[in-house]
Amino acid sequence: DTAVSQTPKYLVTQMGNDKSIKCEQNLGHDTMYWYKQDSKKFLKIMFSYNNKELIINETVPNRFSPKSPDKAHLNLHINSLELGDSAVYFCASSQAFGFTEAFFGQGTRLTVV
Amino acid sequence: SQQGEEDPQALSIQEGENATMNCSYKTSINNLQWYRQNSGRGLVHLILIRSNEREKHSGRLRVTLDTSKKSSSLLITASRAADTASYFCATGQYSGGGADGLTFGKGTHLIIQP
Repeated sequence: DTAVSQTPKYLVTQMGNDKSIKCEQNLGHDTMYWYKQDSKKFLKIMFSYNNKELIINETVPNRFSPKSPDKAHLNLHINSLELGDSAVYFCASSQAFGFTEAFFGQGTRLTVV
Repeated sequence: SQQGEEDPQALSIQEGENATMNCSYKTSINNLQWYRQNSGRGLVHLILIRSNEREKHSGRLRVTLDTSKKSSSLLITASRAADTASYFCATGQYSGGGADGLTFGKGTHLIIQP
């Protein structure tokens, strides 16, 4: 069983569209994250959720919104996609906030054309 | 804001040699972690060292932490072709009022030549 799974793996879409990326973890972890990895492989945290409450909201555009229907899921919705949103997005989870190892999904490569 | 800085950015060595990567960070930390990312894959946790620890081992991996210099090193001994990947350090820190989670550096791309 995959510990952290995200779908889709690849997403190609046009500018202006709205898209969602889904993430699920079966580890029973309390905290889930979304990271963005740019073309230079730099990883930046976007959001994290702890027990369905948003803990971090880094300076990301409000076109990005996390949605957590329950502790095991943290989906990422992106409105009005822009070319600069093209990147690899990783979902991750951890037992505790920043103090234990994080488990990552395989990533979603988003390409905006 | 970026916390960790790995050095070197890229490293190419022969199979069987040892590989050393360094990481520097800026603020006080709770722990420092190293992750590996194979091409096109997610990150895999390798090892965690707490701020009150100075050295830790896991198989062929050895991590050191010097909090006075705000630096850490990852040593991979007897490298194998399968070790070819990008390696990231990540710091876990806690600031009053809320934890900041993990902050990653830019990574070291390690290539093991057969």
